[in-house]
Amino acid sequence: KQEVTQIPAALSVPEGENLVLNCSFTDSAIYNLQWFRQDPGKGLTSLLLIQSSQREQTSGRLNASLDKSSGRSTLYIAASQPGDSATYLCAVPNQAGTALIFGKGTTLSVSS
Amino acid sequence: NAGVTQTPKFRVLKTGQSMTLLCAQDMNHEYMYWYRQDPGMGLRLIHYSVGEGTTAKGEVPDGYNVSRLKKQNFLLGLESAAPSQTSVYFCASKPSFAIDTQYFGPGTRLTVL
Repeated sequence: KQEVTQIPAALSVPEGENLVLNCSFTDSAIYNLQWFRQDPGKGLTSLLLIQSSQREQTSGRLNASLDKSSGRSTLYIAASQPGDSATYLCAVPNQAGTALIFGKGTTLSVSS
Repeated sequence: NAGVTQTPKFRVLKTGQSMTLLCAQDMNHEYMYWYRQDPGMGLRLIHYSVGEGTTAKGEVPDGYNVSRLKKQNFLLGLESAAPSQTSVYFCASKPSFAIDTQYFGPGTRLTVL
């Protein structure tokens, strides 16, 4: 059974720091991996989707990498800003490709 | 496009009461989902649908029923609410192929007293 783990559960950094969020998964046979952002009291917004054939995706200050063989993905945030404060979740599809399996998320707080 | 909308946004129930949560999407997506989110538990899949008239159980289906009579709507029902069903409920949808992302609604915060 696929399990997704995110470390750390919470992270506090001062503005301007570069940071890395980690995601690991137990079954490497995945179609893709997604990173989502969730603001307090809100729904989830997709940030980056990495297909299984790709090694990384970039969007602005965000860069996500995927290493299927080791069952790991990282989300790199450059030059963090207070507006980056949110919970970040990673997710992979189940074997049938019909649903997502989520990690519990990393709650990021960036102080000014 | 409104995307994925959920009704209501907030609800308080007493134990044993029933209610229906409505999810609507205007993107012509085949797949629709209901998740619940609890502190420390992440998002867990309750039920999902791969097309109009179909439903399937997810990870935590007990105590819930669903219906997909129209492609654009996915209803989640609680027949006899319990305090353990206090949670935030999210609906999501996506096109049929596995490689695509899911689009989430804003959530419904349900409290069962």
